[in-house]
Amino acid sequence: GQSLEQPSEVTAVEGAIVQINCTYQTSGFYGLSWYQQHDGGAPTFLSYNALDGLEETGRFSSFLSRSDSYGYLLLQELQMKDSASYFCAVAGDYKLSFGAGTTVTVRA
Amino acid sequence: NAGVTQTPKFQVLKTGQSMTLQCAQDMNHNSMYWYRQDPGMGLRLIYYSASEGTTDKGEVPNGYNVSRLNKREFSLRLESAAPSQTSVYFCASHDRGRTYEQYFGPGTRLTVT
Repeated sequence: GQSLEQPSEVTAVEGAIVQINCTYQTSGFYGLSWYQQHDGGAPTFLSYNALDGLEETGRFSSFLSRSDSYGYLLLQELQMKDSASYFCAVAGDYKLSFGAGTTVTVRA
Repeated sequence: NAGVTQTPKFQVLKTGQSMTLQCAQDMNHNSMYWYRQDPGMGLRLIYYSASEGTTDKGEVPNGYNVSRLNKREFSLRLESAAPSQTSVYFCASHDRGRTYEQYFGPGTRLTVT
């Protein structure tokens, strides 16, 4: 089976940097994805790491270490609109297994 | 492109009633998925269809059935609803040729009383 651990909540001020860690135990690992979900909305894709290293997309970056079964999502220059839940997800054969999510609250 | 659409958006059922949740995608994706999301939890996979003509159980399939009607449509049926099935249901689709980017519908909020 799959097991993912990520912190349940993070609070930070506008302009700050937040790192959300994700550790996983799985069989059949293809890569690690990150999704954002605003309250009442649908999850939307942020990033996917198949190989070790850092992937940067604008203010968001995602990192993967396959040997450590660990990844993180880095949110830089936080804005109020970044207040949302963030889910890591392990990609296996045709499907994703999601963590329980991290609620990020951005304060003015 | 509408992306992934789901109907209905909201539904209230009594215990023991049945209903079908509809999902359609217009992106020509091969794979489709049904998830449920309970408060404070991540998405749990109910069933998925890797390609037209195939369906497989996910993490929490008990109490549900699915039909992949064609490449566009994937429905989820609750034969005899139970209060434990109160949840938000999301349908998603994915193109196998790309990254593991799944596209989600807006969700169906189901309450079983």
